Amino acid sequence: GESVGLHLPTLSVQEGDNSIINCAYSNSASDYFIWYKQESGKGPQFIIDIRSNMDKRQGQRVTVLLNKTVKHLSLQIAATQPGDSAVYFCAEEGSGGSYIPTFGRGTSLIVHP
Amino acid sequence: NAGVMQNPRHLVRRRGQEARLRCSPMKGHSHVYWYRQLPEEGLKFMVYLQKENIIDESGMPKERFSAEFPKEGPSILRIQQVVRGDSAAYFCASSEGVAGAYNEQFFGPGTRLTVL
Repeated sequence: GESVGLHLPTLSVQEGDNSIINCAYSNSASDYFIWYKQESGKGPQFIIDIRSNMDKRQGQRVTVLLNKTVKHLSLQIAATQPGDSAVYFCAEEGSGGSYIPTFGRGTSLIVHP
Repeated sequence: NAGVMQNPRHLVRRRGQEARLRCSPMKGHSHVYWYRQLPEEGLKFMVYLQKENIIDESGMPKERFSAEFPKEGPSILRIQQVVRGDSAAYFCASSEGVAGAYNEQFFGPGTRLTVL
């Protein structure tokens, strides 16, 4: 079946380093992708999104890259801070305005001071 | 704007009891979604409701689970005769319109259900 998954379950970085979190998706019809951050004991929080007609989108300290050829999504966090420690999920939504995002398993980002 | 509110935050039930989870969407939001999250897993869609209507319940188990979103009051996710496998975090999200590229979903803090 269709699935969204992440390559690495845990990523440890030093404060100040750049972090890259990867995500593979299998539904080629997906046209909208979202990255969420989930801190311990809290609900997911929207970070950044990207539509399938784009290959890059930048926010504050975060960049999302979309490679539709290999169905790969990545989240880059610049100058990672301890407050960035959380689980990061990618989610995809299908074509036709589907409202049901399919979440990947998540990557736990640990930032060491 | 207080954001999406869920209560209780933690709920403990014994096998066979009923669990009622409440979700108050953000002000102005009439679309509510329920998700379940097992430990170290992503969120799995359960049900999508719009005021007084169930739009999509394709992710909800056919037995023991039900959801409602009345005209007045919070949305309720009800689990009857709970079993240990129901232990999970249940998240509610709301949006102003149908969620997607033009309507962001905002998530609540979740209810952590533990079945003894």
